Amino acid sequence: GNSVTQMEGPVTLSEEAFLTINCTYTATGYPSLFWYVQYPGEGLQLLLKATKADDKGSNKGFEATYRKETTSFHLEKGSVQVSDSAVYFCALSDRTGTASKLTFGTGTRLQVTL
Amino acid sequence: NAGVTQTPKFQVLKTGQSMTLQCAQDMNHEYMSWYRQDPGMGLRLIHYSVGAGITDQGEVPNGYNVSRSTTEDFPLRLLSAAPSQTSVYFCASSLGTGGTEAFFGQGTRLTVV
Repeated sequence: GNSVTQMEGPVTLSEEAFLTINCTYTATGYPSLFWYVQYPGEGLQLLLKATKADDKGSNKGFEATYRKETTSFHLEKGSVQVSDSAVYFCALSDRTGTASKLTFGTGTRLQVTL
Repeated sequence: NAGVTQTPKFQVLKTGQSMTLQCAQDMNHEYMSWYRQDPGMGLRLIHYSVGAGITDQGEVPNGYNVSRSTTEDFPLRLLSAAPSQTSVYFCASSLGTGGTEAFFGQGTRLTVV
């Protein structure tokens, strides 16, 4: 079956530091890959996505590249801000299935301090 | 835009009680789903629906029932609550297959004592 593995947190960084959150996946088909973000007390919202190999998703300074050869979709940001403090989820949707059936990683909590 | 609306936001139940978590979306999405979020386990799919009148089980369906009589609504029923069902529940909807975005409600925090 499908699975997503992401680095455990919490990750604590100082403002303006470089961020990497690792994500690798296992899937039987050709999945679409997503990063969702959950701010305190809120639901998940889409941060970025990539639907095929070598695609780069980007949004709000975050980016991730779909690497089929390493089955990875690592999230990066060059300079984090306090407002980026949240929980980040890597997820996949198998293209042979439906978008309703997302498979999530366990989430990585990011804390950014001044 | 309301998006995906879940009610209630918080609920405390006694073991054995029943309740329904409500979910409604106003985006005319065909696909809706329910997840539970537990510490260290991410989100796990409980049930999903690909359209009115069609539902199917996800990864952790036991103890939960769903129905989809309209495109807009997708309620989740707990028939006899157990402490193991203490969790945060999220409803989501999306347009279609593959790479389309899922929109999530704000969640229902349920405690079963």
